[in-house]
Amino acid sequence: GENVEQHPSTLSVQEGDSAVIKCTYSDSASNYFPWYKQELGKRPQLIIDIRSNVGEKKDQRIAVTLNKTAKHFSLHITETQPEDSAVYFCAAKGGTSYGKLTFGQGTILTVHP
Amino acid sequence: GAVVSQHPSRVICKSGTSVKIECRSLDFQATTMFWYRQFPKQSLMLMATSNEGSKATYEQGVEKDKFLINHASLTLSTLTVTSAHPEDSSFYICSARGVLERGGLVTDTQYFGPGTRLTVL
Repeated sequence: GENVEQHPSTLSVQEGDSAVIKCTYSDSASNYFPWYKQELGKRPQLIIDIRSNVGEKKDQRIAVTLNKTAKHFSLHITETQPEDSAVYFCAAKGGTSYGKLTFGQGTILTVHP
Repeated sequence: GAVVSQHPSRVICKSGTSVKIECRSLDFQATTMFWYRQFPKQSLMLMATSNEGSKATYEQGVEKDKFLINHASLTLSTLTVTSAHPEDSSFYICSARGVLERGGLVTDTQYFGPGTRLTVL
């Protein structure tokens, strides 16, 4: 089955700096890669996603890049703010049925004012 | 659009009792619902996938007789933790994917419920 590895497990940045979180996946048939943000005790919220036919997608301060050959994708957050502090999860949807997502281990992002 | 509710948000029960958790898609038809378990400071662990009108598919290591899943309609799935024990205490989260607009395609995006904090004494 699909295996998703996420790094780093923790990331600490100063307000205004950029943050980058990287994920690798194992199933070359995977075709959908969402990123979720989860605040303590809350539900995961989709922040951006990308499909396998696109190499990059941007939404204001957030961008995701995908390298299908290398089977890795990354989340980029620019001009970080304290409210960006949360746990971020990457995920991959394999080519099999029912849209099952395999999640990475999560990255705890802390943005210091 | 694409709102998922979950009830109850928190439940405390005695060991040996059964607990039912409901997951509802409020404004779209959920063709598939997923149930996850999340331990503190850990990732989401998929327990099972349920499609409306058919039996759930359980992940390896998840006891189907202990975690009963029913997906009777396109807007409701339930998870029943039977004979709960302290080791079942966890944060249970559902998610749903489906058709957001009339005549539209099934989305890849999973929308999550707010989760249920289960504590078994």
